[in-house]
Amino acid sequence: KAGVTQTPRYLIKTRGQQVTLSCSPISGHRSVSWYQQTPGQGLQFLFEYFSETQRNKGNFPGRFSGRQFSNSRSEMNVSTLELGDSALYLCASSLQYRDSMGYEQYFGPGTRLTVT
Amino acid sequence: KQEVTQIPAALSVPEGENLVLNCSFTDSAIYNLQWFRQDPGKGLTSLLLIQSSQREQTSGRLNASLDKSSGRSTLYIAASQPGDSATYLCALLRGTSGSRLTFGEGTQLTVNP
Repeated sequence: KAGVTQTPRYLIKTRGQQVTLSCSPISGHRSVSWYQQTPGQGLQFLFEYFSETQRNKGNFPGRFSGRQFSNSRSEMNVSTLELGDSALYLCASSLQYRDSMGYEQYFGPGTRLTVT
Repeated sequence: KQEVTQIPAALSVPEGENLVLNCSFTDSAIYNLQWFRQDPGKGLTSLLLIQSSQREQTSGRLNASLDKSSGRSTLYIAASQPGDSATYLCALLRGTSGSRLTFGEGTQLTVNP
């Protein structure tokens, strides 16, 4: 079974630009979560999507947005990039059914975003 | 607010040694706890998942325990190998948080040949 895949793996952008990252969950997984990892802040939760609906959102500005498609693939978008957005962006998927929780989460390899 | 602390922040041991990594949390109302491994610049690899009703889980040379009453979990690594060198993270899932994990800062482990 294929794992969680993320594209692109590396990205270099300039301040003020926008970027879209993609995440394909493990087949059959319906929940996709996004995290930002930086040396100073560690792993910070961005948002979670389940059945095309945002179920949870972390404390990030509105420049960070996401969506989930009917095949559970998810994208996150960052508009008006700032230097501080340079980070490793990780997505995780889990097999969750509505009104049921507790399933193991699997992470992708991440997208390394560098903002110059 | 749930806080997760991992001690020590870094650990260096000789090959073959048994070691324990610690994870403490402030809110005992957790649904499960997951231990991950992260190699430099890479994603997270799930090592063990402990449900809140369980006391421990084992996989190969790894054993994770959970004590909700004291807010602690430990990851025991037996007969450490250089290939075990990585950062180890514990993460909690609260019962009402969907899939949102709260992570500790991690323990950076170096196993010297």
